Amino acid sequence: AQKVTQAQTEISVVEKEDVTLDCVYETRDTTYYLFWYKQPPSGELVFLIRRNSFDEQNEISGRYSWNFQKSTSSFNFTITASQVVDSAVYFCALSEANNNNDMRFGAGTRLTVKP
Amino acid sequence: ETGVTQTPRHLVMGMTNKKSLKCEQHLGHNAMYWYKQSAKKPLELMFVYNFKEQTENNSVPSRFSPECPNSSHLFLHLHTLQPEDSALYLCASSRGGGSSYNEQFFGPGTRLTVL
Repeated sequence: AQKVTQAQTEISVVEKEDVTLDCVYETRDTTYYLFWYKQPPSGELVFLIRRNSFDEQNEISGRYSWNFQKSTSSFNFTITASQVVDSAVYFCALSEANNNNDMRFGAGTRLTVKP
Repeated sequence: ETGVTQTPRHLVMGMTNKKSLKCEQHLGHNAMYWYKQSAKKPLELMFVYNFKEQTENNSVPSRFSPECPNSSHLFLHLHTLQPEDSALYLCASSRGGGSSYNEQFFGPGTRLTVL
């Protein structure tokens, strides 16, 4: 079965610092999808990005960037010039093409950005 | 209007009570999910419905009973709960009958406390 590990339980940075959230996954499928979600204090998880296993191209969206490396089974998330509004719990998730509906989440990383 | 709504947002109940959680999605999706989020644990998938049919039951105790009367509404009926059932219960929905590719959209959750 698939597994997602987010080794960093909590991270605290000062505003404007860059921060990288780590995600390591395990799967036996060759086709799978990786996701990042943000959970602000309000509770609902907000979808940030999806990557499929055949697309290792890194992606940048504003201050957010994602580094997908199949060789190390990692899908890391970097926030550049962090802001207080980035404070949230961030979840990495994996779903396998042969295992519909079963999205496995990591334990999450709580990011606190201090002013 | 918020895509996925959940009511109530907070619920306190005794172990002998019967209560129901409600979820409604306004996104035209065909799949709906219940997750349990406990402190310091990954999100746990509980139930999945595709086109109103239950397709996943992740070994959830029978004291949790889901109901999906149509593709826009999802309920979780609770009875004879235990204190360890206290958690944040999140509802989500997605397109395409629950394909692994589709991102899920989450509601804000119901914070349940069982006394």
